[in-house]
Amino acid sequence: NAGVTQTPKFRVLKTGQSMTLLCAQDMNHEYMYWYRQDPGMGLRLIHYSVGEGTTAKGEVPDGYNVSRLKKQNFLLGLESAAPSQTSVYFCASSIIDRVAEAFFGQGTRLTVV
Amino acid sequence: AQSVTQLGSHVSVSEGALVLLRCNYSSSVPPYLFWYVQYPNQGLQLLLKYTTGATLVKGINGFEAEFKKSETSFHLTKPSAHMSDAAEYFCAVSEGAGTASKLTFGTGTRLQVTL
Repeated sequence: NAGVTQTPKFRVLKTGQSMTLLCAQDMNHEYMYWYRQDPGMGLRLIHYSVGEGTTAKGEVPDGYNVSRLKKQNFLLGLESAAPSQTSVYFCASSIIDRVAEAFFGQGTRLTVV
Repeated sequence: AQSVTQLGSHVSVSEGALVLLRCNYSSSVPPYLFWYVQYPNQGLQLLLKYTTGATLVKGINGFEAEFKKSETSFHLTKPSAHMSDAAEYFCAVSEGAGTASKLTFGTGTRLQVTL
């Protein structure tokens, strides 16, 4: 049972480069989320999706785009990476329930130089 | 907007000692509260959650938390720390109307357990 899988696990980008982070879940969850984790700041929500074909902005959406073309996948894109986007990115998914447990992937450590 | 404050970014306890990690929240509606744990180089996993009903909630690995509305707190405790408890712990509140389950996290508390 894979759960939530993030690809890649590590990446180093140069400023201005673009990349896409892939999140895949095999639990048939409706909700998917992208968070970033920075020291001393906890996890902050970037974007989220409540179903296939729908996305919405979270707390810190600037500089990121997302797409959810298939229910099981949620992509996070950086069009022009900046050093401020150096972070650990976590994807999560859950069922449609405000009290539901969110299941997290193992994270992608991104460094922008 | 709802928010969570975790007092103490680092807590160190001896093995066998009581663990107390503090969490206070602010919310204009009845809150749903969670504690997640993150082991090194891993994602977060749920320890326990409070929704409604009993205010003392038991979770995995011997942890429990008590919801105190009058104090707007949801502190996490464990009677006897084990070396394997060393990790980062996050308190979170579920916000949003209806069925939306977006989590707002605190800044985390790193627990160190010493011999």
